[in-house]
Amino acid sequence: DADVTQTPRNRITKTGKRIMLECSQTKGHDRMYWYRQDPGLGLRLIYYSFDVKDINKGEISDGYSVSRQAQAKFSLSLESAIPNQTALYFCATSDFDEDTQYFGPGTRLTVL
Amino acid sequence: LAKTTQPISMDSYEGQEVNITCSHNNIATNDYITWYQQFPSQGPRFIIQGYKTKVTNEVASLFIPADRKSSTLSLPRVSLSDTAVYYCLVGDWDSSYKLIFGSGTRLLVRP
Repeated sequence: DADVTQTPRNRITKTGKRIMLECSQTKGHDRMYWYRQDPGLGLRLIYYSFDVKDINKGEISDGYSVSRQAQAKFSLSLESAIPNQTALYFCATSDFDEDTQYFGPGTRLTVL
Repeated sequence: LAKTTQPISMDSYEGQEVNITCSHNNIATNDYITWYQQFPSQGPRFIIQGYKTKVTNEVASLFIPADRKSSTLSLPRVSLSDTAVYYCLVGDWDSSYKLIFGSGTRLLVRP
């Protein structure tokens, strides 16, 4: 969905490096989410935010942090990347009165 | 949040109707059932959502029996482009809302 963009789309980094993945949306939604997907598996929730002042841990938040800079922007950081954080990362948004989540195109992260 | 169980994979041929069943024995009164579709290297895309009986949209139909312990996604006359992973999710949509994706059902549509 072009309304949800993620940068970068692909990233290769080394163990111990700090990495930031960015998500922007033009849908005007209050809620934003970060998921990771490992090969052959479903998505797992890392963090979610229901508004700029609300940040919540998801199922697998260890090793990650987030920042909600504005309603439209939600960044995911890996403070010290490790190889098992190699995965496909998705950002998603939803409106407060709508259940549907809209996903970005994903960021493929490889940690060597 | 209720756990869901789906077949790991299914095969079909172009033009056939495909029915994917999802079990959710512990579904709660306030839970909705939602299906997403995911193509390789893309984010999931909402297909359909329902609470009970039958819901139909331009893409699919969702059948939910009275006990709501299962649901069936029906894709009419599939094409090659319907090859994807289909996820069944169950949850309530209050302030604690979050999606839990299982491994989904990999549908392969053959010519």
